[in-house]
Amino acid sequence: DGGITQSPKYLFRKEGQNVTLSCEQNLNHDAMYWYRQDPGQGLRLIYYSQIVNDFQKGDIAEGYSVSREKKESFPLTVTSAQKNPTAFYLCASSIGAHRRGSGNTIYFGEGSWLTVV
Amino acid sequence: DAKTTQPTSMDCAEGRAANLPCNHSTISGNEYVYWYRQIHSQGPQYIIHGLKNNETNEMASLIITEDRKSSTLILPHATLRDTAVYYCIVRFYSGGGADGLTFGKGTHLIIQP
Repeated sequence: DGGITQSPKYLFRKEGQNVTLSCEQNLNHDAMYWYRQDPGQGLRLIYYSQIVNDFQKGDIAEGYSVSREKKESFPLTVTSAQKNPTAFYLCASSIGAHRRGSGNTIYFGEGSWLTVV
Repeated sequence: DAKTTQPTSMDCAEGRAANLPCNHSTISGNEYVYWYRQIHSQGPQYIIHGLKNNETNEMASLIITEDRKSSTLILPHATLRDTAVYYCIVRFYSGGGADGLTFGKGTHLIIQP
């Protein structure tokens, strides 16, 4: 089946540790995204990538890092610099970087819960 | 970025049509309106999107006003499984030419048996 796979579904982090969330897609999409969602809130964009070896900061990039070495993979590292990392993290992808008004749809994975203990 | 305004919550009886409104008065001429829904602890699910014309698919219909300042998502025969948070979104574009989706808090739709 084609889709977006995030792992792990649940992750616990000790204070001061870095953790990496995996995101893999087999949809042959060029663009990939990471969002953070806090309870009762909407989604906020952390990072996005239009093509391999390129990525851009979103609205809340501080304390996070990403890489895009392969088209199908866009891992997110939550660093110790992120002071409030407990949240639901969502990875997404779309066909490609597109011009204004092209209307490409963004598809989401099932999310990963990160809790600081 | 064009922002959207949605009611915080709505109720609808099972089997009836659910009509979810959205205001996007600052939308630009070539920005699309997207609708997603999210069931607790799952990733958002794409429903439908449109630019100017009304759109329909197997899940829902999207009615966009002529001035494009508001839209309505219609679930024609709501079921209990349609209980979710529904997000109305207008695409945004960064200065670098990439884009994403800006999500607000959405509308919590509760389908009553």
